[in-house]
Amino acid sequence: AQSVTQPDIHITVSEGASLELRCNYSYGATPYLFWYVQSPGQGLQLLLKYFSGDTLVQGIKGFEAEFKRSQSSFNLRKPSVHWSDAAEYFCAVGEAGNTPLVFGKGTRLSVIA
Amino acid sequence: GAVVSQHPSWVICKSGTSVKIECRSLDFQATTMFWYRQFPKQSLMLMATSNEGSKATYEQGVEKDKFLINHASLTLSTLTVTSAHPEDSSFYICSARSSGYDTEAFFGQGTRLTVV
Repeated sequence: AQSVTQPDIHITVSEGASLELRCNYSYGATPYLFWYVQSPGQGLQLLLKYFSGDTLVQGIKGFEAEFKRSQSSFNLRKPSVHWSDAAEYFCAVGEAGNTPLVFGKGTRLSVIA
Repeated sequence: GAVVSQHPSWVICKSGTSVKIECRSLDFQATTMFWYRQFPKQSLMLMATSNEGSKATYEQGVEKDKFLINHASLTLSTLTVTSAHPEDSSFYICSARSSGYDTEAFFGQGTRLTVV
């Protein structure tokens, strides 16, 4: 069965500092990996996704993520965090076709001045 | 990218009444849609898979008689919370995937249900 682990429940970073959110997955084959961001009371916005090819994926809002098969990880990074990045971040794993995604528990990002 | 529209975005209802939430794929056909529930400060939990023209598949522990799902067309799935109680208060989100978009999953805006 697929599963996603986001080890960090809450992270606080200073504005302008770099950010890395961790995500580990469990899946038998090559997974489809996603990062979503959710602001309070809002739906999910896709930041980036990985299906195949280059293991370093660029997303929106300056985010990137690197797929490391050997570590079963898909960590999200941003070189310089902005106050508007404060939100909940979810890592998700899926497979091809019309199947649901499995989500991690999320990491809440707080940004301080 | 494709758009999934969910309506209403928020609703307040009295205990014992029923509430219907609509999920529409605006620019693609979705033979399958998914309904998730999210409790405050928690992750999304899959409730059921909605299949066009057939019965929905519910996850273990989800009461199918309480959460009625209908997927009558390729662009519309509805979730009806029947005889709602305060413990049904939650954030409900629908999702659809389309093979025409690299199997990316698209999400509705979510519906905040409050049962009083």
